Amino acid sequence: QKEVEQNSGPLSVPEGAIASLNCTYSDRGSQSFFWYRQYSGKSPELIMSIYSNGDKEDGRFTAQLNKASQYVSLLIRDSQPSDSATYLCAVAGGYQKVTFGIGTKLQVIP
Amino acid sequence: SAVISQKPSRDICQRGTSLTIQCQVDSQVTMMFWYRQQPGQSLTLIATANQGSEATYESGFVIDKFPISRPNLTFSTLTVSNMSPEDSSIYLCSGANNEQFFGPGTRLTVL
Repeated sequence: QKEVEQNSGPLSVPEGAIASLNCTYSDRGSQSFFWYRQYSGKSPELIMSIYSNGDKEDGRFTAQLNKASQYVSLLIRDSQPSDSATYLCAVAGGYQKVTFGIGTKLQVIP
Repeated sequence: SAVISQKPSRDICQRGTSLTIQCQVDSQVTMMFWYRQQPGQSLTLIATANQGSEATYESGFVIDKFPISRPNLTFSTLTVSNMSPEDSSIYLCSGANNEQFFGPGTRLTVL
């Protein structure tokens, strides 16, 4: 059974700090990796996708992928209170079928 | 990215009745999926909606309980049949070409 593991948190960081969110996955054949942000009462919103080893940066967000270690992370620089949400790690094999982690709740303290 | 709408946004239903949820995408997508999300939990995939053929259901979900249609590349419906209070949840549809995008969800309460 394919699994995606995340610490449910909450992860509390002060405003302006770097938030580091981590995720491990069990299926070595996974090809695509995603981070979604979900505000309370809202649906998930795609914020980052990464397909190859290394780092991918988009604004304040950096996704990191290490396929050998089966590890994906998301760094949020200069964290803002508006970043407070649940962050879902998602991993896909073929046919865009995605397995989601339980999500990490991030709290940015002003 | 695709824009996805769902109807209804929420509903309160009586035990034993059925509800059909509609999902509309503003552009053609290769894949469409239906998920369920219980409060405080992650997403559980119900099924993959296949255009022009029967949906592919995940373990624990069956066609009689959750019939799905997908007549074209932009539209799908999910019916929750013979509802019980345990079916109270948020139901989400998504569309995907390479990346997957979600509709706003349907909040269902069964009394």
